[in-house]
Amino acid sequence: DIQMTQSPSSLSASVGDRVTITCRTSQSISSYLNWYQQKPGKAPKLLIFAASTLQSGVPSRFSGSGSGTDFTLTISSLQPEDFATYYCQQSYSTRFTFGPGTKVDIK
Amino acid sequence: EVQLVESGGGLVQPGGSLRLSCAASGFTFSIYNMNWVRQAPGKGLEWVSHISSSSSAIYYADSVKGRFTISRDNAKNSLYLQMNSLRAEDTAVYYCASYCVSCFGGFDPWGQGTLVTVSS
Repeated sequence: DIQMTQSPSSLSASVGDRVTITCRTSQSISSYLNWYQQKPGKAPKLLIFAASTLQSGVPSRFSGSGSGTDFTLTISSLQPEDFATYYCQQSYSTRFTFGPGTKVDIK
Repeated sequence: EVQLVESGGGLVQPGGSLRLSCAASGFTFSIYNMNWVRQAPGKGLEWVSHISSSSSAIYYADSVKGRFTISRDNAKNSLYLQMNSLRAEDTAVYYCASYCVSCFGGFDPWGQGTLVTVSS
């Protein structure tokens, strides 16, 4: 199975900060990398697919980059509604795997 | 409105069985591959199983292989997960999620989840 790592596992930030989360995979997955946002008690929400394409309705302050094994999710200016846990996921293999998550909370 | 609604969760004893259902509406369910994903309390997301639109391709995570069975009924717009030989470590919220072909395989939409608790 393709293994996923994320860093950091958690971070504290202020409204307006630029936030960067990294995801690494154990083998090359081209651009088959997706990012999800999950708030407490809610289902995950697809934010970005194909490493860098914003899902419809997702604010432009979110962006994604990378290919191969190294990927990045960036929030350019953190907003109050962005405090949540973020997961990466690979869809290169049908044995889909998720990263362990990055919790973004308020400093 | 595109919607997925899970049901069938509850409290079950170790070694017991449970069948989860996921009712789809607002989209052509029969042409979409589907997935089950679970989340143990306070933990991350774990993919459980995938089924193709025609049920011709089915995959399981190693942690549930041989114990869980995914199926679907396209005439009823429904997805199922039969869970046997349940263990304490299967305790989780179980989500159904559609495989989005136009999203490079991202999962969208998701249901609201149903809680399965395995405990004596």
